[in-house]
Amino acid sequence: SYELTQPPSVSVSPGQTASIPCSGDKLGLKYANWFQQQPGQSPVLVIYEDTKRPSGIPERFSGSNSGNTATLTISGTQAMDEADYYCQAWDSSTVIFGGGTKVTV
Amino acid sequence: QVQLVQSGAEVKKPGASVKVSCKASGNTFTNYDINWVRQATGQGLEWMGWINPNSGNRGYAQKFQGRVTMTTNTSISTGYMEVSSLTSEDTAVYYCARGISAYYSPGKGWLYFLDVWGQGTTVIVSS
Repeated sequence: SYELTQPPSVSVSPGQTASIPCSGDKLGLKYANWFQQQPGQSPVLVIYEDTKRPSGIPERFSGSNSGNTATLTISGTQAMDEADYYCQAWDSSTVIFGGGTKVTV
Repeated sequence: QVQLVQSGAEVKKPGASVKVSCKASGNTFTNYDINWVRQATGQGLEWMGWINPNSGNRGYAQKFQGRVTMTTNTSISTGYMEVSSLTSEDTAVYYCARGISAYYSPGKGWLYFLDVWGQGTTVIVSS
């Protein structure tokens, strides 16, 4: 079965750029989506179709996807961005989640 | 704005079953899939399966096949997820989420994402 791998944690200083990788076999040949989950809250879609932001998501969130790695980038990271982030792809009619990355600001 | 409102917390004994509901606001319930995702305390998101209210088609994660049943009642825009033979390992927050199957691209496959999530339902399995 298809797997997505994320680092357990990423640390970033306020105002700096955080990059969260998500790796999978030929992931660039699939669409990658990203979710943010604050403690005690439901996940929120922050990036879909590799690079697109849903309405209401700040411009500091961006995404890319090529080769075997999709990346969520948070530019000018703010304290409110401290959360867990999950990548997601679709494979063989199933939803695949990465293991999640805790971003500490 | 579509909202998904889930049923309240449940406490069940090992071996029992639990049925969680997910009611959608708005009148587009049959246009999208309902997915179910669970999360044990301190753990990541675990996808359980999806159901399309219009066609009745569904797909379950292999881990849950035979133990999970997903249904819908389109007349009240509500989806249901039942898990049987509960063990302590099933203690988790269960979420429903709307699944968007946007389009198929020959080079990338299907674009499928979960755009709206319910508030979550806590299920505790304890003797």
